[in-house]
Amino acid sequence: AQRVTQPEKLLSVFKGAPVELKCNYSYSGSPELFWYVQYSRQRLQLLLRHISRESIKGFTADLNKGETSFHLKKPFAQEEDSAMYYCALRTGANNLFFGTGTRLTVIP
Amino acid sequence: DADVTQTPRNRITKTGKRIMLECSQTKGHDRMYWYRQDPGLGLRLIYYSFDVKDINKGEISDGYSVSRQAQAKFSLSLESAIPNQTALYFCATGDRDLVVGEQFFGPGTRLTVL
Repeated sequence: AQRVTQPEKLLSVFKGAPVELKCNYSYSGSPELFWYVQYSRQRLQLLLRHISRESIKGFTADLNKGETSFHLKKPFAQEEDSAMYYCALRTGANNLFFGTGTRLTVIP
Repeated sequence: DADVTQTPRNRITKTGKRIMLECSQTKGHDRMYWYRQDPGLGLRLIYYSFDVKDINKGEISDGYSVSRQAQAKFSLSLESAIPNQTALYFCATGDRDLVVGEQFFGPGTRLTVL
């Protein structure tokens, strides 16, 4: 069975400070991980995927198989980063298994 | 993204009533999903469909049923609603030709069961 753990339900940082949203997973297969984001009054949308190794809106996430983690990082938080963030794992059935989410608030 | 629509957007009903939530998409995707979102529990998959003839149970299918009327339509039914089905329900779509893992979500339906 798979598991995705986001240990922080709420996270507050000051504008300009670094931010790290934690995600740990448990999966017997080869993991594929994603970060989804939901801004206020907007739909849930894909932010980034580990396969692409891309930086989106200044965010990066590296898959660490040894630590079974996929933490989302940004060196300088902006107010517009305030949102709900979900870590998700692709399952063997080609579905997504979501974590419980972290609500990020960036304080001006 | 107006390509995935859900109706109704809000619904209040009573215990024991039958409720149907509808999802339509104009993206031409073959895969459709129903999730529920609860505070502290994140998104949990209820049912999914990879095409019109392929429907599968997700993590929490008990108390729910679905119908894939066409490629573009995927309905979720609560045969006899109960209060712990009060939640925010999301429909999503995906396409086998897209990068795996990218799903497109509807705006959500807020359901309250009294």
